[in-house]
Amino acid sequence: DIQMTQSPSSLSASVGDRVTITCQASQDINNYLNWFQQKPGKAPKLLIFDATNLETGVPSRFSGSQSGTDFTFTISSLQPEDIATYFCLQYGDLPLTFGGGTKVGIK
Amino acid sequence: QVQLVQSGTEVKKPGASVKVSCKASGYTFISYGISWVRQAPGQGLEWMGWISGYNGNTNYAQRFQGRVTMTTDTSTTTAYMELRSLRSDDTAIYYCARSGFYCRTTSCYIDSWGQGTLVSVSS
Repeated sequence: DIQMTQSPSSLSASVGDRVTITCQASQDINNYLNWFQQKPGKAPKLLIFDATNLETGVPSRFSGSQSGTDFTFTISSLQPEDIATYFCLQYGDLPLTFGGGTKVGIK
Repeated sequence: QVQLVQSGTEVKKPGASVKVSCKASGYTFISYGISWVRQAPGQGLEWMGWISGYNGNTNYAQRFQGRVTMTTDTSTTTAYMELRSLRSDDTAIYYCARSGFYCRTTSCYIDSWGQGTLVSVSS
């Protein structure tokens, strides 16, 4: 199975800060990676698909990038409503596997 | 918009079975599949398998083979996941999620999710 190593597991930042989360795949998954946001008690929401593409309706402060098997998710200017857990999903191979999640809080 | 509405909390005894439903709306059900994913307390997300909304073909994760059955009812655009021989470590939130039409390498993406169903297994 492909292991997705996500870091950090949690972070606190100030409103307006740039926030970066990474997922590293244990083998090549091409660009078959999605990023999701999950708020407590709510369904996860797709933010980024195919590593770098912004889902329709998602604010442009969210972005994704890729370098080989390293994937980066960025919030360019953290807003109070961005408090949530973020996780990655790889679908380059079966079984689908997920990053461990990053809990983002406000400092 | 895409909506996946799941059934409510289940409390089961070890050895029992549970069947969770997932009512889909806002898209053409037969054009996509449904994946099932679970998250145990304090643990990460775990993919359990996929079922085609078109013809009911399934692709189960190896560790659930023989213990899980996924079905669909196209007349009601509802997907079901039944897990048998429940153990305490099956206690988790179970999610359905819209998935690719096929479930082969690179095609089994997930985009929309249900709200989750808590299944608690305890004697």
